[in-house]
Amino acid sequence: GDSVTQTEGLVTLTKGLPVMLNCTYQTTYSPFLFWYVQHLNEAPKLLLKSSTDNKRTEHQGFYATLHKSSSSFHLQKSSVQLSDSALYFCASRNSNNRIFFGDGTQLVVKP
Amino acid sequence: AQTIHQWPVAEIKAVGSPLSLGCTIKGKSSPNLYWYWQATGGTLQQLFYSITVGQVESVVQLNLSASRPKDDQFILSTEKLLLSHSGFYLCAWEAGGSQNTLYFGAGTRLSVL
Repeated sequence: GDSVTQTEGLVTLTKGLPVMLNCTYQTTYSPFLFWYVQHLNEAPKLLLKSSTDNKRTEHQGFYATLHKSSSSFHLQKSSVQLSDSALYFCASRNSNNRIFFGDGTQLVVKP
Repeated sequence: AQTIHQWPVAEIKAVGSPLSLGCTIKGKSSPNLYWYWQATGGTLQQLFYSITVGQVESVVQLNLSASRPKDDQFILSTEKLLLSHSGFYLCAWEAGGSQNTLYFGAGTRLSVL
């Protein structure tokens, strides 16, 4: 069945370092992938989305490339900031209007 | 601009009591509407979705029900709360068609004691 896998539950980094949060998906539908970010006690907000193979999409310093060959949509940033500390969700959509969210990756950025 | 409003912001309820949570979207006609549930720090579980007035599809019921009485309103309810209902309830809307982006409300934090 359709699913989204985020392998890291918690990532802890020092400010200024690069980060990559992993996301792989399984779907029988043409993939449409999303990254949402949720700060503490707030609602999730869209960070990135893509349905185009091998095209990099960027927003607020974060970027991701959908690779259909490897069923991946990893989120990256070259230099994390303290304000990037949040819960990050990868999500995929299927043809039944069901959006599958991964379990989420908690990113903690330390000074 | 579209706005989404959820009410109440927070609730503390007793086990066995009824519950009604609401969501209103302004500035967008005929949105697709969704209810999600999130345990503290957990993943987002889709509960229900609706593409039109009077039509609601259940994804995971969890002893909850949903209704869409108006184009801009989505209601989540139960007659009898369980401890497991505690969590963060999020309403979301989507423009429909090929937009494919969910916009979430601020959520309702529910504590069942």
